[in-house]
Amino acid sequence: SQQGEEDPQALSIQEGENATMNCSYKTSINNLQWYRQNSGRGLVHLILIRSNEREKHSGRLRVTLDTSKKSSSLLITASRAADTASYFCATAPNTGGFKTIFGAGTRLFVKA
Amino acid sequence: DGGITQSPKYLFRKEGQNVTLSCEQNLNHDAMYWYRQDPGQGLRLIYYSQIVNDFQKGDIAEGYSVSREKKESFPLTVTSAQKNPTAFYLCASNLGSSGANVLTFGAGSRLTVL
Repeated sequence: SQQGEEDPQALSIQEGENATMNCSYKTSINNLQWYRQNSGRGLVHLILIRSNEREKHSGRLRVTLDTSKKSSSLLITASRAADTASYFCATAPNTGGFKTIFGAGTRLFVKA
Repeated sequence: DGGITQSPKYLFRKEGQNVTLSCEQNLNHDAMYWYRQDPGQGLRLIYYSQIVNDFQKGDIAEGYSVSREKKESFPLTVTSAQKNPTAFYLCASNLGSSGANVLTFGAGSRLTVL
């Protein structure tokens, strides 16, 4: 079953604009991760935020986590055409085990 | 360079045939995973293995089988019992219980049933 739900499903912006993607999940988690996937390729890990953290930065990426609302957001600032990809949130439930559960993803298209 | 190698990249199968997808990692990771991705969708967990000679079913294990005879290798067999096998298959690994479970992925194998 899918744990995370990303919103929007697709996003088209101009180069230089900021892109914001949201993720909601259902169960209590140990951490939440964001991954990127270029078309037809494997996923690449971008950033991990733990359940006791509220915000994290990495370069042009900013992730927030609100455990009371079971939601997270990924902000990409000053987007570039090379940021065009699908972005997935993934959660590690704290119910034990090693399953990482992925949402359906947001497809981002950055126009040059 | 450390990483995960999946092969073949593209595979065509006739109905009724079993096919095996290879996944090899040299990251010394304990845990390995197989995910299935359908167009425009997220990843669904097929099987995962935390240690050698042990594996568990994921959410969509029916019609698939795996083995974990070596730490480095986690092959996936798509059997004829899988009714809709055309999909993109992704293998991943991580440190398992000793890490924060960040996944490293292979480049994927695209299976098409003719």
